[in-house]
Amino acid sequence: DQQVKQNSPSLSVQEGRISILNCDYTNSMFDYFLWYKKYPAEGPTFLISISSIKDKNEDGRFTVFLNKSAKHLSLHIVPSQPGDSAVYFCAASGSGTYKYIFGTGTRLKVLA
Amino acid sequence: NAGVTQTPKFRVLKTGQSMTLLCAQDMNHEYMYWYRQDPGMGLRLIHYSVGEGTTAKGEVPDGYNVSRLKKQNFLLGLESAAPSQTSVYFCASSYSSGQETQYFGPGTRLLVL
Repeated sequence: DQQVKQNSPSLSVQEGRISILNCDYTNSMFDYFLWYKKYPAEGPTFLISISSIKDKNEDGRFTVFLNKSAKHLSLHIVPSQPGDSAVYFCAASGSGTYKYIFGTGTRLKVLA
Repeated sequence: NAGVTQTPKFRVLKTGQSMTLLCAQDMNHEYMYWYRQDPGMGLRLIHYSVGEGTTAKGEVPDGYNVSRLKKQNFLLGLESAAPSQTSVYFCASSYSSGQETQYFGPGTRLLVL
């Protein structure tokens, strides 16, 4: 049973346009969410996080939105750049746990 | 500052062989984790440690053992490798309790024939 789902395995976007990556979760106990970016042959690197007390968090070109009632979060990248081409994982955890549950990832390709 | 390093980067094993993957971190992190990544499966937690001398099972612990004898090192052992353990293995560490960011190593690609 996949508690964190990324239903789009891949996404292609033109350079300069907005990229929207989606993530759904089923466990209502999750209250902290992160996005990681992964380039080939490298480990995932932290991108941005959001706590359930917020519905939006911004960091430069990256914004994460959280809709708790829908158990849905999304990552917006504006404007998209070719260097953003990577696999993006969302991850979720509940308070009092040390563990994150990761989604299956979405491969983003930004076309020049 | 090397962050999280993993040894080896790539290994080929025959079924039944054993090996140990080494993870080292120089950030003085208390928590360390071993994940495996398989196509279409995302990252799955194998074992984790919340401090020196402690270990705990994650989602997919069968066929693996771990040890955390020193705070900076977390070892993942395969006693008798199976083809189902062909995967990319990532180690991660985080600073303290709570919902801290995890920092990942570059991964070890393991092929079991």
